[in-house]
Amino acid sequence: EVQLVESGGGLVQPGRSLRLSCAASGFKFDEYAMYWVRQAPGKGLEWVSGISWNGGIRDYADFVKGRFTISRDNAKNSLFLQMESLRREDTAHYYCAKDRLGSLGYFDSWGQGALVTVSS
Amino acid sequence: DIQMTQSPSSLSASVGDRVTITCRASQDIDNFLAWYQQKPGKVPKLLIYAASALQSGVPSRFSASGSGTDFTLTIGSLQPEDVGIYYCQKYNSAPWTFGQGTKVDIE
Repeated sequence: EVQLVESGGGLVQPGRSLRLSCAASGFKFDEYAMYWVRQAPGKGLEWVSGISWNGGIRDYADFVKGRFTISRDNAKNSLFLQMESLRREDTAHYYCAKDRLGSLGYFDSWGQGALVTVSS
Repeated sequence: DIQMTQSPSSLSASVGDRVTITCRASQDIDNFLAWYQQKPGKVPKLLIYAASALQSGVPSRFSASGSGTDFTLTIGSLQPEDVGIYYCQKYNSAPWTFGQGTKVDIE
C-alpha cells in the first residue's frame, strides 16, 4: 500500500524559512516523479512543484519560483520542499503526491498534508 | 500559461440525478486531463485520467469525455457519498494547473 507522510509544517513568521519532508513507502520511489500541491484554507488545489524520478527535471509554479526548492533522496525514499522568504499567502496545507505512472504529471496518491501557517 | 475554467462553481442535485461538470482549457491540451474528487475533510482522489479513463476502484457511475479544450465529468446517478469538490487538472506540460473546483451537494 502506498503511503506518503508529510512532516515539517508549522507556524513561521513572514520572510522566514521552512523545510517540508515526505516519507514514501509501498512503491518503488525511484521510479516515479513526485510533486507538491497546496491548498489554502477553504480554497482550491494549487500545484506547487514537481521533480522527475532522478531529480534531473524540476518544475515550479510561478508564484514560488526563486523561493522554493524541491529535492529528493531516493536512497531514503524521501521528498523535500525547502521554502524560503515565506509570505502570508503561502499559508496552506501542503500535500506530497505521487505520479500515477512514471512522469505523467497527474497524481494517484496523496499524503495527508502538512499545514504551513505564515503569520507574525 | 494555460488556464483551466470549471463550470458551474457549485451545484445541488437530488440523489439519483445525472450531474455534469465542465472544464475548459484556454488552449488545446489534447486529452491530457485528469479529474479529482475531494470529499469534505479528505485528501483529493484521482477519478479520471487521459480525459476519459476511469481510475481503478472508481465507481462506474463516473464517466468523462472531451479532447482539445472542452471536457466533461458526469456522475450518472448521484449518490450521497459523491458530495464534495471536483477538480480538473491539465498535464500536457508544466505548470500542472487545476481548475477552480466545482462543489457538489445533495438537495
